[in-house]
Amino acid sequence: QQQVKQSPQSLIVQKGGISIINCAYENTAFDYFPWYQQFPGKGPALLIAIRPDVSEKKEGRFTISFNKSAKQFSLHIMDSQPGDSATYFCAASNLDKIIFGKGTRLHILP
Amino acid sequence: GAVVSQHPSRVICKSGTSVKIECRSLDFQATTMFWYRQFPKKSLMLMATSNEGSKATYEQGVEKDKFLINHASLTLSTLTVTSAHPEDSSFYICSASETRANEQFFGPGTRLTVL
Repeated sequence: QQQVKQSPQSLIVQKGGISIINCAYENTAFDYFPWYQQFPGKGPALLIAIRPDVSEKKEGRFTISFNKSAKQFSLHIMDSQPGDSATYFCAASNLDKIIFGKGTRLHILP
Repeated sequence: GAVVSQHPSRVICKSGTSVKIECRSLDFQATTMFWYRQFPKKSLMLMATSNEGSKATYEQGVEKDKFLINHASLTLSTLTVTSAHPEDSSFYICSASETRANEQFFGPGTRLTVL
């Protein structure tokens, strides 16, 4: 019940394309859903986050879509750039801890 | 945004020695700090949660005598890997939270290599 399932494991997108990463959770007690971006050898950095009372949140080229009834959420990266190449982790959390997905290695072709 | 630092960024040690890693919140008071371990190309695994002035709460399977955590102040937590062995080699990441656990700010990580 504590799992967060993330797909795909890896993703290759052409420059300018849309990158889409999907996640699903089981525990309805989660009330905060962040996405993290991690470059090799660095700690994860918060990219964007959403709470379950909102169905979509957009910040620049990054959009989270949230489907509470399906317990699914996704990250869309518009106009993907080579600098977006990194590992992305979705997560779900409550007051106590953050549960991370297994990560998606995104590679944007120049 | 909130900044969390870690020191050292890299450490190489001999098997059997102990290594201390520091985690500091630079511009906020962290009531709770978290320690994670990350293997290559894997996700973050929570090791323990510590609150200032209290004993750390360890996740199942994490040896508390092996990984000593001290949260002595609202801006500093330390992780000491005692009697390190090659299997302890990993990327250790701390995070800090001012209020809720879900609003964590992550440090840059420490690469530990045990020879």
